[in-house]
Amino acid sequence: GAVVSQHPSWVICKSGTSVKIECRSLDFQATTMFWYRQFPKQSLMLMATSNEGSKATYEQGVEKDKFLINHASLTLSTLTVTSAHPEDSSFYICSARDGTSGTGIQYFGAGTRLSVL
Amino acid sequence: GENVEQHPSTLSVQEGDSAVIKCTYSDSASNYFPWYKQELGKRPQLIIDIRSNVGEKKDQRIAVTLNKTAKHFSLHITETQPEDSAVYFCAASISVMGNQFYFGTGTSLTVIP
Repeated sequence: GAVVSQHPSWVICKSGTSVKIECRSLDFQATTMFWYRQFPKQSLMLMATSNEGSKATYEQGVEKDKFLINHASLTLSTLTVTSAHPEDSSFYICSARDGTSGTGIQYFGAGTRLSVL
Repeated sequence: GENVEQHPSTLSVQEGDSAVIKCTYSDSASNYFPWYKQELGKRPQLIIDIRSNVGEKKDQRIAVTLNKTAKHFSLHITETQPEDSAVYFCAASISVMGNQFYFGTGTSLTVIP
C-alpha cells in the first residue's frame, strides 16, 4: 500500500531556532499534502493544504510566516517551524493524497513530536 | 467553516458487543465523510468512507450511515474485538478531492476482553 514517510519522528530544539519537518510519499505521487497539528488526546487540526508547485493554503489562525510550507515536488513537502517557541511544542502530522488514483484517500505520516525548550 | 462534532469522547464495550460513534457537521456543502482509526503511537489510517450519494456503506464488521438532511453520520462496529481498541476520528470535506478536511475530536474506544 501507499507509504508516507515523515522525518524526524522527534525533535527537541531551543527556543528561537527553526525546525524543518519532511513528508515524503514513497510509492505514489502526492499532488496534495496536508499538514495537521495534534494536541495530546485531541483531534487533528488542519494547518494548511499544499498542492505541488503552488503556494500552500493556510487555515484561519495559522501564521504562514511561522509555519513555512514548501511542496516543490510530487513526493516531498516540508514544514518549517520558524523561530520556534515552547507554545509550538506539539505533534505535527502530514498526510498525502494520491492524485492519480482518483480515490482521494489520504495516507498519513507517522508524525513528528516537536519539543521546544 | 466546517465544524465537526463527535460523540462520545470515550467508549468502553465488552468484546463481542457493538460500538457506535456519531458525528455531526455544520456545512451542508460537505459531501465526503471518511473515518480514521489511530492506534496508540501509530498513524491514522482510513477504515471506511462514505459519499453523500449513498446513505450506508458496509465493510465486514464496519458500517457507516449518513443522514444528509440531519447532517450527521455514524460509525458502527459489530462483534468488537480487542484489536478494535483505538481512537477513531470522523472527518468531513466538500469532496474526496477537497482541499480541506475537518476532523472530529476523536473517540477513544476500549474493547474489554
